[in-house]
Amino acid sequence: EIVMTQSPATLSVSPGERATLSCRASQSISSNLAWYQQKPGQAPRLLIYDASTRATGIPARFSGSGSGTEFTLTISSLQSEDFAVYYCQQYNNWPSWTFGQGTKVEFK
Amino acid sequence: EVQLVESGGGLVQPGGSLRLSCAASGFTFSSYAMSWVRQAPGKGLEWVSAISGSAGNTYYADSVKGRFTISRDNSKNTLYLQMNSLRAEDTAVYYCAKDLLHIAVAGIFQHWGQGTLVTVSS
Repeated sequence: EIVMTQSPATLSVSPGERATLSCRASQSISSNLAWYQQKPGQAPRLLIYDASTRATGIPARFSGSGSGTEFTLTISSLQSEDFAVYYCQQYNNWPSWTFGQGTKVEFK
Repeated sequence: EVQLVESGGGLVQPGGSLRLSCAASGFTFSSYAMSWVRQAPGKGLEWVSAISGSAGNTYYADSVKGRFTISRDNSKNTLYLQMNSLRAEDTAVYYCAKDLLHIAVAGIFQHWGQGTLVTVSS
């Protein structure tokens, strides 16, 4: 099983600041990585797939990068609606897809 | 607009069974793989099972293999998860999710339902 490790567990950010979230895979997953956003009481929402492709309707302030084992989600200028938990997920090891434990982005 | 609506959750005793349903609309259901993903209270996401659009292929996480069965009825645009021999650790919100890619089983979850809570407790 591929283990996905996210850091930090919690990120305290002020509105308008940049947020950088990290995700590491226990072995190479090429670019087969997605990012999801989840707000309390809601289902997850797909933000990024193929490591850097924004899903339909996702604002340009969200960007993804990386390949192999190291990946980054960047929110260029945090808006109030961006405070949430973010999960990375690998889909390279088919069909045993795994998620990271999540990074909570909270108001500083 | 894609809509996924889960139902069938509830309280069940350890060793019991439950069948979840997910009613889909707003897309050509038979053309997309579907999955179940669960989230234990206060915890992260765990992929549980997937099924191809034609229902010819099914896939399971090791944690549920042999106990859960995924199926679909393309004539009713409905996805199912039959859960047997339930354990306390199966307690979670269960989401159905539509795959991003047409035809393929990619494991990229583009659309999600609102979830249904399954509680396994005596």
